[in-house]
Amino acid sequence: QLQLQESGPGLVKPSETLSLTCTVSGGSISSSSYYWGWIRQPPGKGLEWIGSIYYSGSTYYNPSLKSRVTISVDTSKNQFSLKLSSVTAADTAVYYCARRFVGADGSESFDIWGQGTMVTVSS
Amino acid sequence: AIRMTQSPSSFSASTGDRVTITCRASQGISSYLAWYQQKPGKAPKLLIYAASTLQSGVPSRFSGSGSGTDFTLTISCLQSEDFATYYCQQYYSYPLTFGQGTKVEIK
Repeated sequence: QLQLQESGPGLVKPSETLSLTCTVSGGSISSSSYYWGWIRQPPGKGLEWIGSIYYSGSTYYNPSLKSRVTISVDTSKNQFSLKLSSVTAADTAVYYCARRFVGADGSESFDIWGQGTMVTVSS
Repeated sequence: AIRMTQSPSSFSASTGDRVTITCRASQGISSYLAWYQQKPGKAPKLLIYAASTLQSGVPSRFSGSGSGTDFTLTISCLQSEDFATYYCQQYYSYPLTFGQGTKVEIK
């Protein structure tokens, strides 16, 4: 059964770069029907899509974060990663990685999620 | 960006109730909508995609309907494990966007 696991520092200083990795186990990140994405949730608030990547390296970013976000994929390690630069307290959130299924009929969904990792931005 | 607005933001209900949550898109999104359930401290769980297709393993008391701009999630007979927050999400266009959530609490 496919599983996703986020990893990375739980505390990042303001103005620095947040870096997280999502390790995919139980399946290949190179499957053609899937994108891989990052979603975040500030404490007590709703969900915000950060961006997605295809195994080929094609990326799609939320314009609200695009200038600060980089998502990359390492197929040899079955991992994809998030870098968010120049962080502030507003970037404090639980960060989830998720598999985004894309069907031939155009249907989509984030069907498998990691457990999430809390990242706090503070000096 | 397409704005997704859910109503109500929260409400109380009893086990056995039939409950309906509404999600409205700021522009037409055809049937490109998914619903998720989130319990405290847990990742969201996919319930429905393509507005009305039940994800494998999700109980049949959950159903979705709608197209265009107006969508509903219905729980036909609320169970204790259904008390949670529910989110809609559109995938008609980038950026992918979620509703603000609807919290279903125990009356």
